[in-house]
Amino acid sequence: QVQFVQSGAEVKKPGASVKVACQASGYTFTSYPIHWLRQAPGQGFEWVGGIDPGNGKTRYSQKLQGRLTITTDTVARTAYMELRSLRSEDTAVYYCAKDLRTSFVSSFGMDVWGQGTTVTVSS
Amino acid sequence: ETTLTQSPAFMSATPGDTVTISCKASQDIDDDLNWYHQKPGGAPVLLVQDATTLVPGLPPRFSASGYGTDFSLTINNIESEDAAYYFCLQHDYFPLTFGLGTNVEIK
Repeated sequence: QVQFVQSGAEVKKPGASVKVACQASGYTFTSYPIHWLRQAPGQGFEWVGGIDPGNGKTRYSQKLQGRLTITTDTVARTAYMELRSLRSEDTAVYYCAKDLRTSFVSSFGMDVWGQGTTVTVSS
Repeated sequence: ETTLTQSPAFMSATPGDTVTISCKASQDIDDDLNWYHQKPGGAPVLLVQDATTLVPGLPPRFSASGYGTDFSLTINNIESEDAAYYFCLQHDYFPLTFGLGTNVEIK
């Protein structure tokens, strides 16, 4: 079955960078876009960005553009989210999730999500 | 950016009750709305896609409706296992946006 395994929790100081990994299994990795979402403590979900592993096309949240890079390694079937110049407000659980649609022209929303990676930004 | 206003934020129900969660979009999003739930410590789980299509295996006590700007998720004869955080997602426009969620407690 479709499954994502994310890398472990991270604690970073303000100004540092973090790179979270998401390894996929159970489907053709290059056929579906992968999104990154986050949920800050006590808050709702926020879309961070996404990537089409088939062609490398990315879409980023305007709020995070400039600090965010999403990439994939198709051989390793792994997506990565790197966030730089971390601030306390970046403290959140970060999730990867697969789109229901095979194209990144638009989205059908996400079906399967990873287990989440807690990123804590604190001095 | 499309804002989703979800209500109520919290709901306490007794087994057997019928509960309805609302999600209102700030602009027309056709039927491009999904519903999810998340149990403590777990990953979100897709319940409904495209406003009304229940995922295979979802109990028939769940139903969903809506189009355009007004959407709802209804749970009939709610059971203790339905206790969770429920939220809506619109996928009509990028950026994808979410409702703030509803915590459903079962007494």
